[in-house]
Amino acid sequence: AQSVAQPEDQVNVAEGNPLTVKCTYSVSGNPYLFWYVQYPNRGLQFLLKYITGDNLVKGSYGFEAEFNKSQTSFHLKKPSALVSDSALYFCAVRDDTGRRALTFGSGTRLQVQP
Amino acid sequence: DARVTQTPRHKVTEMGQEVTMRCQPILGHNTVFWYRQTMMQGLELLAYFRNRAPLDDSGMPKDRFSAEMPDATLATLKIQPSEPRDSAVYFCASGLVFGVVTDTQYFGPGTRLTVL
Repeated sequence: AQSVAQPEDQVNVAEGNPLTVKCTYSVSGNPYLFWYVQYPNRGLQFLLKYITGDNLVKGSYGFEAEFNKSQTSFHLKKPSALVSDSALYFCAVRDDTGRRALTFGSGTRLQVQP
Repeated sequence: DARVTQTPRHKVTEMGQEVTMRCQPILGHNTVFWYRQTMMQGLELLAYFRNRAPLDDSGMPKDRFSAEMPDATLATLKIQPSEPRDSAVYFCASGLVFGVVTDTQYFGPGTRLTVL
């Protein structure tokens, strides 16, 4: 089985400060890890993914995520938050067999205050 | 700019009526996913197709839901009969998988279904 945990329902951060949205996962074999963002009344948009290689992955809009195999984590980060980053963020995982779809976390709402 | 399209964007219907939602995946993608999003359950996978064949529909209530891909450019999700608890936003996503390598899933804008 594969699963994802996003322990925080909401993260509040002031504009200009660094942000972190946490994600831990469980999967058999090697993980493929993704972050998606959802703005109100919109579908999910891809931010970044980890398949293999460098543990620090850079994605869209200045976001990055760090894969930590020993801690089974894939936290999303950004050095300086913008008000426009306020949205719902989903972490997702799947195994490397290609036979399973993504399993999504419950989502974390990011609120960036001006 | 290739994107997944879904129709209708909004649907209001009465309990017991049939509902059909349609999805056009990105041209060339060989996988299609149907998800349902609610406040209570979050994002749930309903069905997963690869090369038009269902690979996993374990998340779908079989008695009333059905998913098909009549051709590579169209995926449908039907609910018959619909119930108020089916009210949710239904997302379609498509992607490209070859062997064990996976590409990103791209989501459509969703169909907001309200069953009265």
